[in-house]
Amino acid sequence: QVTLKESGPVLVKPTETLTLTCTVSGFPLAKSTVGVTWIRQPPGKALEWLAHIFSDDEKSFTTSLKSSVDISQDTSKSQVVLTMTNVDPVDTGTYFCARIFGKFDYRRLDYWGQGILVTVSS
Amino acid sequence: DIEMTQSPSSLSASVGDRVTITCRASQTIFSYLNWYQQRPGKAPRLLISVASNLEADIPSRFSGSGYGTDFTLSISSLQPEDSATYYCQQSYISSPLTFGGGTKVEI
Repeated sequence: QVTLKESGPVLVKPTETLTLTCTVSGFPLAKSTVGVTWIRQPPGKALEWLAHIFSDDEKSFTTSLKSSVDISQDTSKSQVVLTMTNVDPVDTGTYFCARIFGKFDYRRLDYWGQGILVTVSS
Repeated sequence: DIEMTQSPSSLSASVGDRVTITCRASQTIFSYLNWYQQRPGKAPRLLISVASNLEADIPSRFSGSGYGTDFTLSISSLQPEDSATYYCQQSYISSPLTFGGGTKVEI
């Protein structure tokens, strides 16, 4: 059974660094055809892709946050970590991690975590 | 970046109605189009991949079609549990992987 679960702080102050962890089970992060992505959703708004990582360490980031976002993985712990520096209240929202299936053909997000609501406020 | 535009942004329909949501890409994405359903307070769920492939355990009243830049998601007979927001997403270019603005379906 494939599962993903987000964890991290629910309240962060402006200018601080936000670190979120996605712990996966039911599939190995080392599998070549799958990866993990982070998606966020401001309250009442649409989904926004942030970053992804694959087993060969291929990484990609949204252009608007490229200088402040990083993604890494620890395959031995089955974890993917998203780091966002210098956060702002506009970064408030629900953060989801999801599995990317089909790296070499039609990529789709076939399993999602439940999401974690992060509020950026002083 | 490929921009995805959905219409309408919201709709209201009755149980048993046929509902159609459209999604337009700013450039051709061939069949690299996925649809997701997001119920209130829940994570999105993959409904359809590769424009028209119904995912496992998704009811057959859902269907997808289209190619190139224009796509549709249809619900043949709307049910109360279909009340949700639906998103299209292109994966032709995975960086950035872009979503439509969503269509809220109210029963």
